[in-house]
Amino acid sequence: ELKVEQNPLFLSMQEGKNYTIYCNYSTTSDRLYWYRQDPGKSLESLFVLLSNGAVKQEGRLMASLDTKARLSTLHITAAVHDLSATYFCAVDIVYRGGSEKLVFGKGTKLTVNP
Amino acid sequence: EAGVVQSPRYKIIEKKQPVAFWCNPISGHNTLYWYRQNLGQGPELLIRYENEEAVDDSQLPKDRFSAERLKGVDSTLKIQPAELGDSAVYLCASSLEVSGAGETQYFGPGTRLLVL
Repeated sequence: ELKVEQNPLFLSMQEGKNYTIYCNYSTTSDRLYWYRQDPGKSLESLFVLLSNGAVKQEGRLMASLDTKARLSTLHITAAVHDLSATYFCAVDIVYRGGSEKLVFGKGTKLTVNP
Repeated sequence: EAGVVQSPRYKIIEKKQPVAFWCNPISGHNTLYWYRQNLGQGPELLIRYENEEAVDDSQLPKDRFSAERLKGVDSTLKIQPAELGDSAVYLCASSLEVSGAGETQYFGPGTRLLVL
């Protein structure tokens, strides 16, 4: 059974600091997505990573994918309060019968304090 | 451009009652998904449609859940009868094509269901 594990699950950090969220998965995949979810809101797509070594950056967020290590990272640079949200990684897998689906991690709840 | 629309946004029902959720995907998106998100968890896929065909419903509890996507546009998800454990947020998402090709899924705001 595929497992997608994020850590940490909860992260409290100060504005201006840097930190990395990790996403490990247990089966072969070269497609990984990062989403952001604000409280009571839906999921907003942040990054789509489609190959080993892929790196994408948007503002203070940078995501990377290492398919050999089955690891993706979401790096936060100089955090600001507006980044407070829950961040999910999701791995695209092929399972029985050739169907594909996204399997999500439990999410990392990020709180950025002034 | 309008995003994925869902209604109602909130629903409170007593157990054993039926409930239905409605989703209107982004215009032109062929693929539609229903997910369930429990508190503190990531979304879990219930069913995926390509146009009007349910191509993956292996995760849908078929004894009480049903879904349809008539004419390949809007979709409804029904629970009958609802149980306490069905309390969750039900999310609808859509994409141009199947996400295995790297297509992003766009999510609606969800319907928050509370079963008492």
